[in-house]
Amino acid sequence: DTAVSQTPKYLVTQMGNDKSIKCEQNLGHDTMYWYKQDSKKFLKIMFSYNNKELIINETVPNRFSPKSPDKAHLNLHINSLELGDSAVYFCASSHGPGANVLTFGAGSRLTVL
Amino acid sequence: GESVGLHLPTLSVQEGDNSIINCAYSNSASDYFIWYKQESGKGPQFIIDIRSNMDKRQGQRVTVLLNKTVKHLSLQIAATQPGDSAVYFCAEFLLTGRRALTFGSGTRLQVQP
Repeated sequence: DTAVSQTPKYLVTQMGNDKSIKCEQNLGHDTMYWYKQDSKKFLKIMFSYNNKELIINETVPNRFSPKSPDKAHLNLHINSLELGDSAVYFCASSHGPGANVLTFGAGSRLTVL
Repeated sequence: GESVGLHLPTLSVQEGDNSIINCAYSNSASDYFIWYKQESGKGPQFIIDIRSNMDKRQGQRVTVLLNKTVKHLSLQIAATQPGDSAVYFCAEFLLTGRRALTFGSGTRLQVQP
């Protein structure tokens, strides 16, 4: 059973399009995250939700909109995709917002042409 | 798959040798320091953490050392195996405020058979 699953694993799209990445966790965790990993492997947090409430919103363009319908799901919608959005996006979850042990998904590689 | 042109520091060791991966952290107020391992095509995976009031912690085949004087963290892997080949990240965590992992740049460990 996959603990944190994200779909799709690969996404290739044109500039200007809108796309979504979905994430689900079956660990019973309260907190979920989106991280972005660039081509140099640098990992940076984008958003965090605790029990469906947004608790961390880093300086991310407002073209990125997370949505958490329930505490087991956190989706990421991206409008008007740009070349610089190409990256691997990781979803993660933890027991709570004060946890340093995160369980990550396998990542969704987004390529914007 | 791997991207072309990555310039991650790389540590190459022989199978069976001990490996030491180093990290310089930035925030002396961090409460926890954590090591994550990322295998090719996968998300980061928690290895071990250490609280800021400790200077050493041992796990199974791994030891983390913390030197707060020089803001240095290291991960020692005993009897390195081919399965240890991955990118290793150190991360910092504060129990107050933002409460999000801040990752450092990674180090690639290559284990030669």
